[in-house]
Amino acid sequence: DVKVTQSSRYLVKRTGEKVFLECVQDMDHENMFWYRQDPGLGLRLIYFSYDVKMKEKGDIPEGYSVSREKKERFSLILESASTNQTSMYLCASSLLPGVGTGELFFGEGSRLTVL
Amino acid sequence: DAKTTQPPSMDCAEGRAANLPCNHSTISGNEYVYWYRQIHSQGPQYIIHGLKNNETNEMASLIITEDRKSSTLILPHATLRDTAVYYCIVRLIHGSSNTGKLIFGQGTTLQVKP
Repeated sequence: DVKVTQSSRYLVKRTGEKVFLECVQDMDHENMFWYRQDPGLGLRLIYFSYDVKMKEKGDIPEGYSVSREKKERFSLILESASTNQTSMYLCASSLLPGVGTGELFFGEGSRLTVL
Repeated sequence: DAKTTQPPSMDCAEGRAANLPCNHSTISGNEYVYWYRQIHSQGPQYIIHGLKNNETNEMASLIITEDRKSSTLILPHATLRDTAVYYCIVRLIHGSSNTGKLIFGQGTTLQVKP
């Protein structure tokens, strides 16, 4: 089975701290994604990557950056955390479009609280 | 990607079929219909997808109307564990402009009751 593992289920950080959220997938997927999920707003795409060292902005990239140095790992970085970044963060991976079902495999999520 | 419209919530009795509707009136010919669900405190999980033919797998059935402007996800014998938010999404699966990303709407909260 495909496994997408997010490093932390729960984090509490202070305003201004630098935050790293790590995601690892074990199925050699090319595509990886970071979403955030907030009540009433659903899932919103922050960034995605379709290859090592490649990244594309999603719908809400402001305040975030990403890193993909290895195919299996996609990191989300909050350079200076703010309270409005308190949210559930979800990582996902998939094969390239046109290969397989196009299914996205999600991790369990990381719930970040910024105080 | 085309926008979808789903009812915000539905109830279903345990053991009965749950029929979740989705409108996607602006769907284009090369866009697929995908269904995901999200159980509380977990990441979304793929259920099924289809283009124009009806599809069935071990989890559910997907019925797509002939004009493809709407679809229905059917859980044939709902259990309490099927209580979740169900998302209907339409997206390209082929094409150079497709990055594979999914745009999620608000979904339907299905409550299965004993």
